[in-house]
Amino acid sequence: KAGVTQTPRYLIKTRGQQVTLSCSPISGHRSVSWYQQTPGQGLQFLFEYFSETQRNKGNFPGRFSGRQFSNSRSEMNVSTLELGDSALYLCASSSGQLGSPLHFGNGTRLTVT
Amino acid sequence: AQKVTQVQTEISVVEKEDVTLDCVYETRDTTYYLFWYKQPPSGELVFLIRRNSFDEQNEISGRYSWNFQKSTSSFNFTITASQVVDSAVYFCALSEDITNSGGSNYKLTFGKGTLLTVNP
Repeated sequence: KAGVTQTPRYLIKTRGQQVTLSCSPISGHRSVSWYQQTPGQGLQFLFEYFSETQRNKGNFPGRFSGRQFSNSRSEMNVSTLELGDSALYLCASSSGQLGSPLHFGNGTRLTVT
Repeated sequence: AQKVTQVQTEISVVEKEDVTLDCVYETRDTTYYLFWYKQPPSGELVFLIRRNSFDEQNEISGRYSWNFQKSTSSFNFTITASQVVDSAVYFCALSEDITNSGGSNYKLTFGKGTLLTVNP
C-alpha cells in the first residue's frame, strides 16, 4: 500500500507570496490532517478534512486554508506569506475515526525569505 | 483543554543502554487515545503504538515497551538495549473526542518531543 505523498518536498517563497501544498492520502483513507512543525512551537494542528468537509480547525489565521477533493486528496494554501510561516508542513491521513492512528507523509519544507 | 508534556527534551545514551521517555497528559475526557511516534532525521513521523483509555495493559514489541498508567496520567516508552538507529525525535500524542459526538470531532495533540541520541 502506498503511503502518504506530499508535494513538493521543498519550497522557497518570498514574503507576500502565496503557496499551495498537496497531499495524497493512503488509499481508502477519508481523513486528511495538516500540521505545522517548527523548532519553537513543535507540531501544531492546522485543520482536518473528512469527505471534503473541514471537520476541525486549529488556531491559525485565515491566511491558512485548505480543501479536500472527492478522491480524498487535499491541498493546503497559505496566502500573504510571512517569515514566520517557514516550517515543515506535514500531512497525515487516517480512517477518520477517533483513535485511528495518523499516517504521515515526508512533509513539505517551506522557507519564506 | 488537552495537554501533553514530554518530561525530557533531550536524552543522550551509549549504545546498549536502556532508555525511558516519559509522557504525562491531561484530559477531562474518559475516552481518549494515546500514541507514540518516531521522527528520524528524514522527517517522516512514524506511528509506533496506540493505547485507548480503557486498556492499561503494558505492551512489549521487540526492544520497545510501553507503560500506561491512568492513575498518574502517564504513558512512558522504554527502549531496551538501544541502538544507533533509534536516534530520533519521539513524540507522545493524545487524541480525544472534543464534542462527545462519538468520534467525529477530534484532533491529535502532540508533546514537544524528546530528542534521543544513541552514541556508538
